[in-house]
Amino acid sequence: AQSVTQLDSQVPVFEEAPVELRCNYSSSVSVYLFWYVQYPNQGLQLLLKYLSGSTLVKGINGFEAEFNKSQTSFHLRKPSVHISDTAEYFCAVSRRGSNYKLTFGKGTLLTVNP
Amino acid sequence: DTGVSQDPRHKITKRGQNVTFRCDPISEHNRLYWYRQTLGQGPEFLTYFQNEAQLEKSRLLSDRFSAERPKGSFSTLEIQRTEQGDSAMYLCASSLDGGGANEQFFGPGTRLTVL
Repeated sequence: AQSVTQLDSQVPVFEEAPVELRCNYSSSVSVYLFWYVQYPNQGLQLLLKYLSGSTLVKGINGFEAEFNKSQTSFHLRKPSVHISDTAEYFCAVSRRGSNYKLTFGKGTLLTVNP
Repeated sequence: DTGVSQDPRHKITKRGQNVTFRCDPISEHNRLYWYRQTLGQGPEFLTYFQNEAQLEKSRLLSDRFSAERPKGSFSTLEIQRTEQGDSAMYLCASSLDGGGANEQFFGPGTRLTVL
């Protein structure tokens, strides 16, 4: 089975500051890794995904994440945040070669203050 | 691109009543997933369809829950004899089987409140 730990439940930052949202996973098999964003009263939107290849992946809205296999981490970063980035962010994994069901972390609420 | 749609968006019911939710996936997507999200938690997998076949069910899906996907298009999730613990957001997602880790596109969810 897979599990995901998002180390911070809430991250407050000021506008234009950099941010890092941390994610660690546990799995006995190879996995795919994802970050999703959820705005209030909406479904989830994919920010980025790691399937294979380069460990640095770039996503939408200026976000990027780095896969670190030795530390089993997949931290999300953005060099300069905007008020509109305020949302809940979920890290997720799925087992390679399976039905691709996602296992999510508990989420990190990013609040960007002016 | 109409995306994944879910109906209703909100449902308030009394304990013991039955409820049914509908999900319309993106038209060419052959995979459909149901997840449940409670307050302060990430979504949890409930069940998965490949076309019309229900291939996996989570242990979270008690006997009071049933899901169908007739003809491999829309899906319904029914909860019988609802309990207060069923209050949650029910999310539907769809994807296209392309041999890789296909992106799942999520609908806006149905928020269920059981009084």
